[in-house]
Amino acid sequence: GQNIDQPTEMTATEGAIVQINCTYQTSGFNGLFWYQQHAGEAPTFLSYNVLDGLEEKGRFSSFLSRSKGYSYLLLKELQMKDSASYLCAVNSGYSTLTFGKGTMLLVSP
Amino acid sequence: DGGITQSPKYLFRKEGQNVTLSCEQNLNHDAMYWYRQDPGQGLRLIYYSQIVNDFQKGDIAEGYSVSREKKESFPLTVTSAQKNPTAFYLCASSIVAGGASDTQYFGPGTRLTVL
Repeated sequence: GQNIDQPTEMTATEGAIVQINCTYQTSGFNGLFWYQQHAGEAPTFLSYNVLDGLEEKGRFSSFLSRSKGYSYLLLKELQMKDSASYLCAVNSGYSTLTFGKGTMLLVSP
Repeated sequence: DGGITQSPKYLFRKEGQNVTLSCEQNLNHDAMYWYRQDPGQGLRLIYYSQIVNDFQKGDIAEGYSVSREKKESFPLTVTSAQKNPTAFYLCASSIVAGGASDTQYFGPGTRLTVL
């Protein structure tokens, strides 16, 4: 079966750095995606990792370790608008993605 | 503007009625997907289609049906057989299905409430 784990909730302060972890156990691995979802809205694509290492995109970075079945999303210089749910999803080699339950991030002033 | 549209944004239905949710895309994507999202739950796949006139069941297909007669359109029917239909429904599309870096792009969603 496919299993993806993320923390349910995290809190952080404006201007700080936060790391959201994702661990996965899947029958195969063909890439990992991170999405951001504001309440009541559609998920929007943030990043994709298929090789080990860190991918940086502005304030957001994503890291992957395939041997450990582990990824994290790093958000720097947090802003109030970063308050959202962050979804980790794995392409396990089939035609579809398996999503974690998401991590709700609350950024406070 | 290219994108995915879903209508309506909010939908109310009486128990026992079938209801069809619309999803249209003008991105020229081959693959389309339907997900259901419940509070505290991740996205769960209902159905997906890799090409016109073909579709496959996802993890929770019972009580749902789909059609893919046109590349641009992938409507989802929630039937009276679905035990707990009240949820947020998301449609997505991607260039092809299963490509390693193939990103799925989502529509704005339809919130269905069955009374």
